[in-house]
Amino acid sequence: AQSVTQLDSQVPVFEEAPVELRCNYSSSVSVYLFWYVQYPNQGLQLLLKYLSGSTLVKGINGFEAEFNKSQTSFHLRKPSVHISDTAEYFCAVLASGGSYIPTFGRGTSLIVHP
Amino acid sequence: GAGVSQSPSNKVTEKGKDVELRCDPISGHTALYWYRQRLGQGLEFLIYFQGNSAPDKSGLPSDRFSAERTGESVSTLTIQRTQQEDSAVYLCASSLGGGFGEAFFGQGTRLTVV
Repeated sequence: AQSVTQLDSQVPVFEEAPVELRCNYSSSVSVYLFWYVQYPNQGLQLLLKYLSGSTLVKGINGFEAEFNKSQTSFHLRKPSVHISDTAEYFCAVLASGGSYIPTFGRGTSLIVHP
Repeated sequence: GAGVSQSPSNKVTEKGKDVELRCDPISGHTALYWYRQRLGQGLEFLIYFQGNSAPDKSGLPSDRFSAERTGESVSTLTIQRTQQEDSAVYLCASSLGGGFGEAFFGQGTRLTVV
């Protein structure tokens, strides 16, 4: 079985400040990891994904995440946020070679203040 | 189509009535997922279709919920005798299948049971 924990339900930051949204996972097998963003009244959109290779992955809108196997983490970072980054962010895990059903975290609401 | 399409976008129904939600996946995507998102919560897996294989129904919360998909085309999620706790956004996603790619989400159907 796999699970995902997003430690922060809400993260308020000021515009142009850096931000880190935390994600930890649990799985008995190798995993693929994803971050999705959900803007108000919209569906989920993929930000970035880790399948294999380099542990630092870059995504859209200036976001990046680092896969840390020893800490079972996949934290999302952005060096300077914009008002338009205000949204809900979901971390997801998919066990490679096993169930093909992604498991999602509860989400982190990023609120960017001017 | 270019993306995953869901209809209706909004549905208000009276308690006890049946509702049918529709999902049109991306052409060529063999995998299709239904998730439920309650207000302020994460995504709850409902059901997974992969090609012509038997669906994984392990996430359906009760026998009032059912879903169908013919081949690799449209899927319908049916909720019978709706209850107020069924109020949520129902999200459909599709992927290439096999666990190698990310899921692409529709914009969801917001169901309100009054």
